[in-house]
Amino acid sequence: AQSVTQLGSHVSVSEGALVLLRCNYSSSVPPYLFWYVQYPNQGLQLLLKYTSAATLVKGINGFEAEFKKSETSFHLTKPSAHMSDAAEYFCAVTFSGSARQLTFGSGTQLTVLP
Amino acid sequence: KAGVTQTPRYLIKTRGQQVTLSCSPISGHRSVSWYQQTPGQGLQFLFEYFSETQRNKGNFPGRFSGRQFSNSRSEMNVSTLELGDSALYLCASSPTVGQGKTEAFFGQGTRLTVV
Repeated sequence: AQSVTQLGSHVSVSEGALVLLRCNYSSSVPPYLFWYVQYPNQGLQLLLKYTSAATLVKGINGFEAEFKKSETSFHLTKPSAHMSDAAEYFCAVTFSGSARQLTFGSGTQLTVLP
Repeated sequence: KAGVTQTPRYLIKTRGQQVTLSCSPISGHRSVSWYQQTPGQGLQFLFEYFSETQRNKGNFPGRFSGRQFSNSRSEMNVSTLELGDSALYLCASSPTVGQGKTEAFFGQGTRLTVV
């Protein structure tokens, strides 16, 4: 079965500092990986996705993630945090041939300190 | 292009009642998935519909059901509501089914409170 682990349920960074949110997956077949962001009382917005093309994926709002097969990781980074980045972030996985059934990590709440 | 629309946004129901939530996907999208989000269990897949057929179902009791209409709009129903059904219910639409490369576009959700 597929699974996703997000290390750190809460992460705090200072404005302007590097953001690093960790995601590890388990899979016996090549996965498709996604990062979503959720603001309070809102749905999920796609930040970026990995679909077996380039291993370094660039997304919206300055975020990027690198797929590392050897480490089964897909960590999300942003060089310089902005106050507006404060939200909850979810890593999700699905597999080729499966229906649109996403398996989500437990989420990481990002706080940006002034 | 309009996004995924879920109605109502907020709902309060009493234990034992039933509830129906509605989801209108992005125009042209034929796949609709439903997810339940709770603080304790996180985001969990409920079921997916494509061309009016349920393609996949998560690990939820039979009280949770859904359907999809010919215009791709979808409804989910929860019967005999329990306190633990209080959650944010999210609907997502996708242009295709069975192809992991396409992303799911989420609506703003329906916040269900069971009292």
